[in-house]
Amino acid sequence: GAGVSQSPSNKVTEKGKDVELRCDPISGHTALYWYRQSLGQGLEFLIYFQGNSAPDKSGLPSDRFSAERTGGSVSTLTIQRTQQEDSAVYLCASSLAARTQYFGPGTRLTVL
Amino acid sequence: TQLLEQSPQFLSIQEGENLTVYCNSSSVFSSLQWYRQEPGEGPVLLVTVVTGGEVKKLKRLTFQFGDARKDSSLHITAAQTGDTGLYLCAGAPPGGSNYKLTFGKGTLLTVNP
Repeated sequence: GAGVSQSPSNKVTEKGKDVELRCDPISGHTALYWYRQSLGQGLEFLIYFQGNSAPDKSGLPSDRFSAERTGGSVSTLTIQRTQQEDSAVYLCASSLAARTQYFGPGTRLTVL
Repeated sequence: TQLLEQSPQFLSIQEGENLTVYCNSSSVFSSLQWYRQEPGEGPVLLVTVVTGGEVKKLKRLTFQFGDARKDSSLHITAAQTGDTGLYLCAGAPPGGSNYKLTFGKGTLLTVNP
């Protein structure tokens, strides 16, 4: 594809529900990243994939957060039992190896 | 933990004015990147600086990396309304983890006509 795409663009959920956020990276990009951007905060690194493996998941805030990548392409970030503090914009980026990261438009998550 | 402090946090100027945005840290970075982010979109890379003292120019934008590779600045000459956006700096740590960028909180620039 032309760029990184993310879906949904907006997600409103109730506290305690699970949500899945999807990222389609640029075709051929081996590396994929998830970030969280909260109001007034910078981008916070969550997890890094190289192929289907996640050598660095040190940024995941709690065990309610998990991510997977299949076929070296699409990735899904899952948040279980959502809390209000999970409300943020979740950004995905992809790159060739660990070079320039290209970002998607993000998913705005609102937990009521 | 590496931190990047950006200043100012907010900047509102008139078209045609000059401005400088700063990005400071007590940590050394192997490289530093500047991004611009517009509402509803992801950040877009403007430049990467890798050498201490390096200066890069991109049309009316001038980027400088500090000699000690701990700080950087972005200078915009004769700002235009199209320069409006959130400017983010991001540093890559020394060593092999250059994928793990540390981002500043950003400078929200508004250029008024």
